[in-house]
Amino acid sequence: GAVVSQHPSWVICKSGTSVKIECRSLDFQATTMFWYRQFPKQSLMLMATSNEGSKATYEQGVEKDKFLINHASLTLSTLTVTSAHPEDSSFYICSASPEAGELFFGEGSRLTVL
Amino acid sequence: LAKTTQPISMDSYEGQEVNITCSHNNIATNDYITWYQQFPSQGPRFIIQGYKTKVTNEVASLFIPADRKSSTLSLPRVSLSDTAVYYCLVGDDYKLSFGAGTTVTVRA
Repeated sequence: GAVVSQHPSWVICKSGTSVKIECRSLDFQATTMFWYRQFPKQSLMLMATSNEGSKATYEQGVEKDKFLINHASLTLSTLTVTSAHPEDSSFYICSASPEAGELFFGEGSRLTVL
Repeated sequence: LAKTTQPISMDSYEGQEVNITCSHNNIATNDYITWYQQFPSQGPRFIIQGYKTKVTNEVASLFIPADRKSSTLSLPRVSLSDTAVYYCLVGDDYKLSFGAGTTVTVRA
C-alpha cells in the first residue's frame, strides 16, 4: 500500500525553541495532508488540513501562529511548532490519501519539550 | 461528520473471534465506514472499509446492516499481536474525525 513517512520519529527540545516535523508521501502525490496530535491514552485530534500551494485550514482552537504548516510540494508537508512549551509535548501524526477512500498515516513523531 | 459510538474496551483470548460494534446513527448517504488499528506510539493503520452489506479482506470482516446505522468489525482468531486500539470512522472525505476507539486486549 501507499507509504507516508514522518521525520523525526521523536524529538526532545528545550522550551522556547521551534521544532519542525516533516511528512512525506513516498509513492504518491498528495495535494492534501492532515495533521493530528494525540495525548497519552487519548484519541487523535485533527489539528489542520495542509493544502499544497495554499494556506492550511486549521481546526477550531488550534493556533495557526503556533503550529505553522507548509505544503510546498505534492509529497511534503511540514509542521513547525514554534516557541514550544511543555504543554506542546505530544504525539504528532500526519496522513494523506492517494485516492478517495483510504487514508494512510505516518509513523508519528513524539515531541517532548523540556 | 457523523459521530460514532464504540465500546471503550474489550477483552479476549488468543484464538477467539472479536466483534466490535460501532454505532453511527447519523451516517450520511455518501459516507463510507472505515476501521483503523493503532498500536502505542504508532500511526493508525487501515484495516477495512465498507459502504453496505459485508466486506472481507485478509485480516477482518466488516458487517453493515441495511440501515447502515451501525457496523461490526470482526477479527477472526485473534492473537496477542492484535492487542491495540480500534477506531471506527465514517465520512466521505479525507477529513476523518476520530472517536475514542475501542481498546482490545488479547490475553494468552
